[in-house]
Amino acid sequence: QKEVEQNSGPLSVPEGAIASLNCTYSDRGSQSFFWYRQYSGKSPELIMFIYSNGDKEDGRFTAQLNKASQYVSLLIRDSQPSDSATYLCAVSLMEYGNKLVFGAGTILRVKS
Amino acid sequence: DGGITQSPKYLFRKEGQNVTLSCEQNLNHDAMYWYRQDPGQGLRLIYYSQIVNDFQKGDIAEGYSVSREKKESFPLTVTSAQKNPTAFYLCASGTGGPLGANVLTFGAGSRLTVL
Repeated sequence: QKEVEQNSGPLSVPEGAIASLNCTYSDRGSQSFFWYRQYSGKSPELIMFIYSNGDKEDGRFTAQLNKASQYVSLLIRDSQPSDSATYLCAVSLMEYGNKLVFGAGTILRVKS
Repeated sequence: DGGITQSPKYLFRKEGQNVTLSCEQNLNHDAMYWYRQDPGQGLRLIYYSQIVNDFQKGDIAEGYSVSREKKESFPLTVTSAQKNPTAFYLCASGTGGPLGANVLTFGAGSRLTVL
């Protein structure tokens, strides 16, 4: 069973702080890693993806990947109330035709 | 504008009825997917198709059927055999390429409620 694990939260941070969201995965064959943001009642939207060990930055967002530890994280700097949403981690397995396996998501609440 | 259109947005079904959810994309993507989301849970894959006239079962295909007669269209039928169909259904498309190339774009979703 391919699994992606996330802490369900809610994770509460004050406005302007750094929010750190974590995700672990069970299959070492995982190739690509995605972070999606989902507002209540809406569909997921891509924040960023990463497939090489290390950090990848895009604006206020940084994805961190450690394949040896089977761990991927998303950092949100200068958190804003508009960042309040559920963050879904997804993992792609090439041997399964690049299907994405999603975690259950972490609820983030940014308090002003 | 390129995107994915799902319809209807809300659907109510009586027990024993089949219903079909529409999904159309104009992104010229080869791969299309159907996911189901239940409250407090992640997305679970129902069916996917990487090319016209071909599709594969996902993790929870029982009680569902699909067709892929055109590249742009991937309708999902929820049959009476699906015992707990109330959920939020999401259609997505992607390039199907390797590594990070397979970024999925999602439709707005269809919320199905069984009465």
